[in-house]
Order: sequence, then C-alpha cells, then structure tokens
Amino acid sequence: EDKVVQSPLSLVVHEGDTVTLNCSYEVTNFRSLLWYKQEKKAPTFLFMLTSSGIEKKSGRLSSILDKKELSSILNITATQTGDSAIYLCAVVIIQGAQKLVFGQGTRLTINP
Amino acid sequence: GAGVSQSPSNKVTEKGKDVELRCDPISGHTALYWYRQSLGQGLEFLIYFQGNSAPDKSGLPSDRFSAERTGGSVSTLTIQRTQQEDSAVYLCASSFVAYEQYFGPGTRLTVT
Repeated sequence: EDKVVQSPLSLVVHEGDTVTLNCSYEVTNFRSLLWYKQEKKAPTFLFMLTSSGIEKKSGRLSSILDKKELSSILNITATQTGDSAIYLCAVVIIQGAQKLVFGQGTRLTINP
Repeated sequence: GAGVSQSPSNKVTEKGKDVELRCDPISGHTALYWYRQSLGQGLEFLIYFQGNSAPDKSGLPSDRFSAERTGGSVSTLTIQRTQQEDSAVYLCASSFVAYEQYFGPGTRLTVT
C-alpha cells in the first residue's frame, strides 16, 4: 500500500524560530514529491521536487528531496505568524494515470 | 476564470439524500482532480479526469460516489444516499503543467 507519513503532526514555535518539517514515503512508481500550504480550506502549491539533492528555495522556505532515504524536508527560517498553517506533503505516483498520495499534514502554529 | 471555483461552498443535507457538488477548473487546464478531507485527516484522492475521461477512479470510496466531466471543463461529483461519514470538505483541483495542481476553495458537506 502506498503511504506518505509526515512528522511532527503538530508543532508550536515562537516567531523567529526555524522549523523543519519531515515527509517520508513508501510508494511504487514514484514520480515527484509536492509540498502544499493549507490555510482555511484550499491548499496552495509550494514546491515540486523530482531530483534528489537539489534544494528548491522560495524566500524563507526551502525544501530538498532524498530519494535514497525516501524522504523530504521543508525548512522555514525566521518564522512569522503568517506561516501558521497545515503543511501537506504529497507524492505523485504513476499507476496507469498519475495519482497523488497525501500525508496527514503537519499543523504549524507560530506564536508571537 | 482567475482560479478554480466550487459550488456550493457549504451544503447541509439529511442522511439518505443525494447531493451534487460542482467544480469549475481554470480555463485551459486539461486535468481535474477531486479530493476529500475529513476533520483532522489528510487529503484523500477520489478521482482524476484527463479531458472528459477518468483514467483513475480508484479513490471513490463506494458505488454511491460518481463523477463526470463534460466539455473538458466543469465537473460534478455526485453522492447518492448520503451517510454521516460522507461529511467532509470536498476539494477540486485542476492542472495543465503536470503535477502543479491549483485547488478550489472546497465544499463543506455536512450530513445530519
């Protein structure tokens, strides 16, 4: 069974801290790994990672994929209260057609 | 349109009734996806359309669930004889570039 596991499930930090969110996967026919930020209802796309060891960066957020370890991390530096959200990791697999398998998400709370 | 839209935004229905949820994807996006998110859970893949055909229906939880897409655009997700466990937020996403999915605001379905 294809599985994506995120940790921690919940994290509370103070503004200005740096956080690292983890995503590990066990899937067949891996294609790529996606990170989303979910506030309120709709997730918004952050990163797509296909190649191992290449860091993707956007402002204070960065992410990297390790295909050997079957995992990815999402880093957020100098956190702000606006970073509070659920961060979702999803793996794209190919089973005839493409399909996404999502992790449970990490609920990040940034306190002022 | 500017983004993916879904209607209704909220739906309360009695157990046993049928409901129809609508998704309008971003114009030109050929792929459309339906997901379900139950309280405190991650995103659960339901069905994927490429054009009007659905190569992957494996996520539909039971035969009470069906979906169609017409004209390569609007999609409807129908749930027949709703049950309380169907209560969730139903999210639709569309994409053109592979794997970069844009999500709608979702429909919150409550079955009483």
